[in-house]
Amino acid sequence: DQQVKQNSPSLSVQEGRISILNCDYTNSMFDYFLWYKKYPAEGPTFLISISSIKDKNEDGRFTVFLNKSAKHLSLHIVPSQPGDSAVYFCAARRSNFGNEKLTFGTGTRLTIIP
Amino acid sequence: NAGVTQTPKFQVLKTGQSMTLQCAQDMNHNSMYWYRQDPGMGLRLIYYSASEGTTDKGEVPNGYNVSRLNKREFSLRLESAAPSQTSVYFCASRMGLKSNYGYTFGSGTRLTVV
Repeated sequence: DQQVKQNSPSLSVQEGRISILNCDYTNSMFDYFLWYKKYPAEGPTFLISISSIKDKNEDGRFTVFLNKSAKHLSLHIVPSQPGDSAVYFCAARRSNFGNEKLTFGTGTRLTIIP
Repeated sequence: NAGVTQTPKFQVLKTGQSMTLQCAQDMNHNSMYWYRQDPGMGLRLIYYSASEGTTDKGEVPNGYNVSRLNKREFSLRLESAAPSQTSVYFCASRMGLKSNYGYTFGSGTRLTVV
């Protein structure tokens, strides 16, 4: 049972345009969400996160939006750059004591076209 | 460079052989994790250690054992490798339960079981 879903396996965007990556979750107990970026032959690296008490978090070119009622979050990258080409994983966590595991989505491969 | 170090980077095993994947972090993190990444499946948690001296099962623990040797090191053992364990294995660490920082991942071990 996939509790965190990324329904688009791949996405291609022109350089300079906005990239929007989507993620849906089913477990209403998740209260913290993260995005990771992964280049080939490297481990995932933390990109940006958002707590369930917020609906938006911004860090430079990256913004994450959370819609709790829809159980949906999205990552916006503006403007997109060639170095943004990577696989992006959405992850979610329940912050109860002793239950700190991250549940990951299946990933979306983003390709930025020069 | 500070971070999470995994060894080996690549390994080929025959069915039934055993091996141990090593992981060490030098960030004084309390929690450590082992994930596996398979195509179309995202990252799935195998085992984790919330603190030195404790280990717990994750989503896919069957066929694996772990040892939290000390605060720095967390090893993953395959006692009798099977082709279904062909995967890329990632070790990760995090400061602790109350930390909202993302996990730090190693660069991965690519394991093939023939």
